[in-house]
Amino acid sequence: DIQMTQSPSSLSASLGGKVTITCKASQDINKYIAWYQHKPGKGPRLLIHYTSTLQPGIPSRFSGSGSGRDYSFSISNLEPEDIATYYCLQYDNLLTFGAGTKLELK
Amino acid sequence: QIQLVQSGPELKKPGETVKISCKASGYTFTNYGMNWVKQAPGKGLKWMGWINTYTGEPTYADDFKGRFAFSLETSASTAYLQINNLKNEDMATYFCARSLYGSSPYYFDYWGQGTTLTVSS
Repeated sequence: DIQMTQSPSSLSASLGGKVTITCKASQDINKYIAWYQHKPGKGPRLLIHYTSTLQPGIPSRFSGSGSGRDYSFSISNLEPEDIATYYCLQYDNLLTFGAGTKLELK
Repeated sequence: QIQLVQSGPELKKPGETVKISCKASGYTFTNYGMNWVKQAPGKGLKWMGWINTYTGEPTYADDFKGRFAFSLETSASTAYLQINNLKNEDMATYFCARSLYGSSPYYFDYWGQGTTLTVSS
């Protein structure tokens, strides 16, 4: 099974700032990674799939990159509504989530 | 619009059975697989497996083989998750999520709102 090591587990940032989250796969996942935003009491929201493809309606402040085993996700110009937990998901070989990153306001 | 609406919160005792529903609307039900995801209290997301809504074939992740069962009522565009012989560690929020698929699911683009299961004697 493919393991996804996501870091950091939590981070704090200022409004208007930029944050970056990384996910490292235990093997090459061929860019088959998605990123989700999850707020309490709701279903997760798809932000990005296939490494860098933004879902319709998702602001361009969200971006993704990477290849092979190493992937990253960034949010620029942080807004209050971005406070949430973020997860990566590999779907190259079955499906595995990263452990999540809790984003808080500084 | 596309919606996945799950059944309400459940309170069960250890050893009992629970069946959670996920009703889909706004798209052709059999064109997308349905996945189930577990989130234990204070923990992250864990993929439980999926059901091919066209063939009805379920696939279970390794940690969810045995007491878990996925099923369909295609005429009602509804998927079900049944958990038998409930244990304390089954206490969690369960999400359904749809995906396109090939030999296995792709990413999930729409999710249900989650169903909270409490297991307590």
